Amino acid sequence: KQEVTQIPAALSVPEGENLVLNCSFTDSAIYNLQWFRQDPGKGLTSLLLIQSSQREQTSGRLNASLDKSSGRSTLYIAASQPGDSATYLCAVLRGAQKLVFGQGTRLTINP
Amino acid sequence: EAGVTQFPSHSVIEKGQTVTLRCDPISGHDNLYWYRRVMGKEIKFLLHFVKESKQDESGMPNNRFLAERTGGTYSTLKVQPAELEDSGVYFCASSQGVGYGYTFGSGTRLTVV
Repeated sequence: KQEVTQIPAALSVPEGENLVLNCSFTDSAIYNLQWFRQDPGKGLTSLLLIQSSQREQTSGRLNASLDKSSGRSTLYIAASQPGDSATYLCAVLRGAQKLVFGQGTRLTINP
Repeated sequence: EAGVTQFPSHSVIEKGQTVTLRCDPISGHDNLYWYRRVMGKEIKFLLHFVKESKQDESGMPNNRFLAERTGGTYSTLKVQPAELEDSGVYFCASSQGVGYGYTFGSGTRLTVV
C-alpha cells in the first residue's frame, strides 16, 4: 500500500528566505508525482508535475526534484513571499490512475 | 480554457437527507475523478470515470454514495441518506490521461448536521 508523508506539517519563515518542503513515498513504482497548493477554502492548484523518468521540474521560483530510488521529492521555493502562504500537497500517481496524497505542509511566510 | 467547475461550493444538510454534488470537467477530458477530504485526514480517492464508464470505484465508502457521468460530460455524486461522517470537502478532477497531470475543481464543502 502506497503511503505518502510530508514533513514538516507546518512551517513558518520570514519573507525572503529560501525553503524546502519534503515528501516521501513508500512504493517507488509510480507514474509521476505532482505538487499542489491549496489556499484556505479553495481548490487545489497544480504547481509542478514530474514524470517518473524525470529528476526535476522548474517553474519560476519553484523547483521540484524526484528521487524514485529513495522514495523522495522536494519542493524548493526561492525568495519566499507572503503570497506563497498556503498548504502544499504532494501526490503520487500509481497504477489504476489513483493519486495518493500526503497530509500537506502548511506554510506561512511572515512579512 | 475553463477549468473544472463544481457546485454547490457549500452545502449544509441534516442527517438522513439527500445531497447531489455536480462536477463539470475540462472539455475534452475523458478522465474524471472524485476525491474527498474529511477533517484531519489526507485527500483520498473515491472513483474514476473514463468517459461515461466507471473505471474504478474502489474508494467509494459504501452504497449510500452513487456517482454518474451523463454522456461522458458532467458528473454527479449523490449521497443518500447522508450521515455525519460524510462531512468533508469533495473534490472533482479531470485529466487527459496518465502523464498529463490532474486539474482539480474548487471543491464542495459538505456539512451534515
